[in-house]
Amino acid sequence: GAVVSQHPSWVICKSGTSVKIECRSLDFQATTMFWYRQFPKQSLMLMATSNEGSKATYEQGVEKDKFLINHASLTLSTLTVTSAHPEDSSFYICSAEEGQETQYFGPGTRLLVL
Amino acid sequence: AQKVTQAQTEISVVEKEDVTLDCVYETRDTTYYLFWYKQPPSGELVFLIRRNSFDEQNEISGRYSWNFQKSTSSFNFTITASQVVDSAVYFCALSEAGGFKTIFGAGTRLFVKA
Repeated sequence: GAVVSQHPSWVICKSGTSVKIECRSLDFQATTMFWYRQFPKQSLMLMATSNEGSKATYEQGVEKDKFLINHASLTLSTLTVTSAHPEDSSFYICSAEEGQETQYFGPGTRLLVL
Repeated sequence: AQKVTQAQTEISVVEKEDVTLDCVYETRDTTYYLFWYKQPPSGELVFLIRRNSFDEQNEISGRYSWNFQKSTSSFNFTITASQVVDSAVYFCALSEAGGFKTIFGAGTRLFVKA
C-alpha cells in the first residue's frame, strides 16, 4: 500500500518555541491531507483538512493562528505549532487521501513541550 | 451530525478466547464508509477494513470478522482465538462520501492475557 511519512517522529521543545511537523506522501500525490491530534488514552480528533494550493479548513475549536498548516505541494503538508505550551503536548497524526478511494495514515509525531 | 460510539472502553480476555468489539454509528448520509483501525503501543494506526454503506456483506479475514448491519447502525468486529499480539486499542471510524473527513470512536482497549 501507499506510504505516508512524518518527520520528526518525536520532538521535545521548550515552552514558547515553534515546532514544524512534516507529512509526506511517498509514492502518490495527495490533494487532501488531514491532521489529527490524539491526547493520551483518547481518540483521534480531526484538527484540520489541508488542501493543496488553498487554505486549510479548521475544525471548530482549533486555533488556526496557533496551528499553521501549509500544503504547498501534492506530496507535502506541514503543521507548525506556534508558541507551543505544555498543553499542546500530544500525538499528532497526519493522513493523506489518494484519489477519493483510500486514506493512508502517517506514523505520528509525539510532541512534548516542557 | 456524524457520531461513532464504542461503548466498551476496555476488554480483557484470555488467549484463545473470542472477543467482539462493538461499534454503533450515526449519520444522515446515505453513502458513507466505515473503518476499523488497530493502534498498537507504538501509536501507528494499522488499517484493518473499510466497508461502504452499500455493502452489507459480512467479511472474514483470517481470525478477524466484521458484521455490518445497517438496520441497527452497527459495525462490530470479532477476533477469533485471540492472541497476545492482538492487544491494542481498536478504533471504529466513519467518513463521509466524497472525501475522507473521518470521525473516530473513542476506541476500545483490548488486553489479551497469555
